[in-house]
Amino acid sequence: DAGVIQSPRHEVTEMGQEVTLRCKPISGHNSLFWYRQTMMRGLELLIYFNNNVPIDDSGMPEDRFSAKMPNASFSTLKIQPSEPRDSAVYFCASSLRNEQYFGPGTRLTVT
Amino acid sequence: DQQVKQNSPSLSVQEGRISILNCDYTNSMFDYFLWYKKYPAEGPTFLISISSIKDKNEDGRFTVFLNKSAKHLSLHIVPSQPGDSAVYFCAAASEDDKVIFGPGTSLSVIP
Repeated sequence: DAGVIQSPRHEVTEMGQEVTLRCKPISGHNSLFWYRQTMMRGLELLIYFNNNVPIDDSGMPEDRFSAKMPNASFSTLKIQPSEPRDSAVYFCASSLRNEQYFGPGTRLTVT
Repeated sequence: DQQVKQNSPSLSVQEGRISILNCDYTNSMFDYFLWYKKYPAEGPTFLISISSIKDKNEDGRFTVFLNKSAKHLSLHIVPSQPGDSAVYFCAAASEDDKVIFGPGTSLSVIP
């Protein structure tokens, strides 16, 4: 298995633009998580899905952030409009039980 | 309010010595605990875990200890090697599969 796949690996965009981050979980895993890592807050859970259904989105910072999981093999995290304070590394992870497997992350820079 | 705390942002240890990374949690509903290791520009990788019914779990050079009454766990690495230099995240999981991460401790093993 290729592991959790995220794209793009790097994204640089201007303030106000829409950003879409993509994730392909490990086949057979039933839970998917989106995290944001910053120097100030460490690794923050934004949202997680179980069997493609959003279970807890309390970590989503505000309405500019949205996430979807249309099927078991794909998820997106969208930021619209983006702001400079959204600059961070965004990780996707999937799991079957408790151990999560992380993707390599997407480094987002909003200028 | 942080549910999982790692009060030492960084730690330096001499090669060959023991590294002890500490973690405290506040939520008594957590029943499974994990340690992840993260190298720069990579996603976190699972290292070792422990169920709340145990007080110790060992895997090679890595041992995790759990003190439920104190809501405290620690990761021991012995002997420490330069390749162990990384950020270590403590994480706690509850029955709903939600995993909360601590802010991380950056370990430097000095040759």
